[in-house]
Amino acid sequence: KAGVTQTPRYLIKTRGQQVTLSCSPISGHRSVSWYQQTPGQGLQFLFEYFSETQRNKGNFPGRFSGRQFSNSRSEMNVSTLELGDSALYLCASSLEDPATGELFFGEGSRLTVL
Amino acid sequence: DQQVKQNSPSLSVQEGRISILNCDYTNSMFDYFLWYKKYPAEGPTFLISISSIKDKNEDGRFTVFLNKSAKHLSLHIVPSQPGDSAVYFCAASARSNDYKLSFGAGTTVTVRA
Repeated sequence: KAGVTQTPRYLIKTRGQQVTLSCSPISGHRSVSWYQQTPGQGLQFLFEYFSETQRNKGNFPGRFSGRQFSNSRSEMNVSTLELGDSALYLCASSLEDPATGELFFGEGSRLTVL
Repeated sequence: DQQVKQNSPSLSVQEGRISILNCDYTNSMFDYFLWYKKYPAEGPTFLISISSIKDKNEDGRFTVFLNKSAKHLSLHIVPSQPGDSAVYFCAASARSNDYKLSFGAGTTVTVRA
C-alpha cells in the first residue's frame, strides 16, 4: 500500500510569509503526527491529530498550527515565517497510538526561509 | 528541554563488528522506548522497540537493552553491515504524556568496509 505522502517536498519562502504543508497518511491510519527536524536537535514534536481532533501539542509558538480532515489527511501551517523555521518537517501516521505503535514517516517537506 | 539524549553524534565501525548506540533519558515516567533509522532524503523508519517491563528485546541483528535504574538504553547491531550506515534516533514516550514521542538528536553511524 502507498506510504505517507508529503507535499511539497521542497519550498523556499521569505521572512514574514506563511506556508502550508500537506500530509496524506497511509490508508486506514487515523493518527497523524508532525515533527520538525533541525541539525543537532533531532525531531521536535509539533502536534498529533486523531479523527480530526488535536490530541497533543508540542512546545512551539502559536504561529504553528495544524488540522486534520475527515479523510485523515492533515495540513500544518506556519505563519509569519522566521529564519529559524528553516527545517525538515516530517509527518508520520499510525493506526492508533503513535507512542507505542510504529510510526510511518513521510519523506518530509524541506522548508528554507530566506 | 531535551528529555532524551544521544550524546554521541557519530559512530564509525568496521564492517562485521558490533555497533553500540547509547541513549539516556531524564523523565522517569517514560515507559516505552523505540529506535528509528533514517537514510538521507528519506523519512525515519521504525527499527525496534522495548517496553519498560522488559530489559532486552532482540530482532535479528538488532538488540535493545534497557537499564531503568540508570535511565539508559542502548542499541546493539551485530554484525554491522554497510547498509546500516544511517542516522539512528532514540525515542521515548510515557502513558501520562498522551501520544507524544520525545526523540534524541540522533547518532550518525558509518560502517566501513
